[in-house]
This record gives sequence, C-alpha cells and structure tokens, in this order.
Amino acid sequence: DSGVTQTPKHLITATGQRVTLRCSPRSGDLSVYWYQQSLDQGLQFLIQYYNGEERAKGNILERFSAQQFPDLHSELNLSSLELGDSALYFCASSGLAGLSYEQYFGPGTRLTVT
Amino acid sequence: AQTVTQSQPEMSVQEAETVTLSCTYDTSESDYYLFWYKQPPSRQMILVIRQEAYKQQNATENRFSVNFQKAAKSFSLKISDSQLGDAAMYFCAYKWNTGNQFYFGTGTSLTVIP
Repeated sequence: DSGVTQTPKHLITATGQRVTLRCSPRSGDLSVYWYQQSLDQGLQFLIQYYNGEERAKGNILERFSAQQFPDLHSELNLSSLELGDSALYFCASSGLAGLSYEQYFGPGTRLTVT
Repeated sequence: AQTVTQSQPEMSVQEAETVTLSCTYDTSESDYYLFWYKQPPSRQMILVIRQEAYKQQNATENRFSVNFQKAAKSFSLKISDSQLGDAAMYFCAYKWNTGNQFYFGTGTSLTVIP
C-alpha cells in the first residue's frame, strides 16, 4: 500500500459526459501528479500541483482540468468525454523536504467511455 | 529537454537467471534522481529502486541492483535470481533535483519463463 488513495476504482460512462476523479496523497506529501495510461501504453504526464498551485503541465487536453484543495487532495475533471479517453488514470504524490523525492502511485482509476 | 529512452520493448529471462534492462537519459543537469518502477498485471505502479546522481555507489535492493554510469547517462536495472513474480512492465524515470516533473521511459515488458 503506497498510502495514495484514488476513487473510484472503476468508472463507466458515456461519450459527452463529465467525470471527476479524486486523489488523496500520502500524509505529508505536498505534490500531486496526474498521469494517463492508455492500453499497453506508457505513462502520459498530465499535470502537477504543489500545495494547491499548478506547477507543471504536460499533454493535458483543454477538456481536462484539475485542482488541489487546501487539504491537499486533488481532483481531475474530464469533460465532453470521447472514446479515446478510456484509460487508466494514475495519481502520484511526492514529498518536498528530506531524502524522499520518489513518487508514490495510487492504484489508479480505470475509466471506460462507451 | 530531458528524455528517457528504454530501447528494449520486450525482454525475457529464465526463472532463476539474471536479466538486465537498459535505460538511457538525456539531461544537462548534474543533480538529479533516477528510478525504476515496476507495473505488474495488476497495473499498480511500484517503486523498485532509486539512485541519486551525486552518489557514485550503485543502489541495491535485495535482488535488484542498478548500474549507474553518469558520464554515459546510462541507468540499467539488473534482476538477479529472477522469479515468476518479476514478470511486469518496467519503467525507468528521471527527475531533476529541483524540477517538478518526472520523465518516464516507454517501458520494457519482462517475461519470466518457468
């Protein structure tokens, strides 16, 4: 158990809909990262937040948005969903100070768009 | 720009044998971190091993060790005494010490043959 939680585990929805994925980082971690992994593909970095502020942006579509709340949990919002958005969405967290810079991943949310 | 290259899309190894997975990266920075992550069929991303660039000594975690060659920008993972449970996709990753983003390779799929 990495200490990072993601809900829901599975999500099935229709094209055109909007969904929200939720992530709670490990206790004490200030950074949250979102990744998309399509079937048999590598990790596509979407966006990073640090202590509530956006810090880095990857190949995130305009239909996607994210935020990090004061309690440090983060939400990834996906709207106007298309079939191609079906993927595994990972959240990862990492610490700032000390020796630990590695990312710890949540179990992922599997999104299926029908 | 930082890039991470895994030139072996697929590898296989006999159970109990040793296998080495390759990773090269491109960076102009001198202070950074390198990681190997394992993704088994469950799709959970699991940190296997971490290497700090300022350390000359290669990291070791039980049966997993790395060969870090800073000048060559090479970071290979050696798995000794391979077990069936080692079968997974392995991702190499890089992070600049003070940067925000983690850069992942495209992965190497490892098959362990009984």
